[in-house]
Amino acid sequence: DAKTTQPTSMDCAEGRAANLPCNHSTISGNEYVYWYRQIHSQGPQYIIHGLKNNETNEMASLIITEDRKSSTLILPHATLRDTAVYYCIVRVARSSASKIIFGSGTRLSIRP
Amino acid sequence: NAGVTQTPKFQVLKTGQSMTLQCAQDMNHEYMSWYRQDPGMGLRLIHYSVGAGITDQGEVPNGYNVSRSTTEDFPLRLLSAAPSQTSVYFCASSRAPSGEETQYFGPGTRLLVL
Repeated sequence: DAKTTQPTSMDCAEGRAANLPCNHSTISGNEYVYWYRQIHSQGPQYIIHGLKNNETNEMASLIITEDRKSSTLILPHATLRDTAVYYCIVRVARSSASKIIFGSGTRLSIRP
Repeated sequence: NAGVTQTPKFQVLKTGQSMTLQCAQDMNHEYMSWYRQDPGMGLRLIHYSVGAGITDQGEVPNGYNVSRSTTEDFPLRLLSAAPSQTSVYFCASSRAPSGEETQYFGPGTRLLVL
């Protein structure tokens, strides 16, 4: 499974869009990009995932570059409750075990 | 659905003691896994299972055993607890092991080994 690189920390003003980048330059064609977040002391929470097309759901949007070597998670209107550590993960889609390997993530702080 | 449940929520052990962390899911998921998270760090995979009767090692398996006798349950056993095993332990499950499946995490067990 490919490795990811994320900034250690970011901050964003409440009500603005939070854009969290992720580099996965060694991603291969059958690997999905996943985003999870972990609010203090809780279990990780799934946000969104994609293969090569941009994706949007009720929580966020995922923009994947055409070469798939990087992606951006967008929280369109950040609130204080979005303060968390955000993990970008790539996982191989195959029938055998596909392990989630977490990195250190990006600590996002939303300021009032 | 209760989702993924873990017991206990907190546990204090003395060095050398053994214990079992329980994990259960009611979503009929085939894939289950255990992670540990040390302060200020990301999650590290301990063991995982792709179905009943099948288990395999993750990144940091030493000192831990698992078994998967049913689809619903995936207990994690500490054979002889050490202070280095002080951590928060998360259990997760997904419908299938493949990469497009979403993993659901439990609330965690906080373990302190003295």
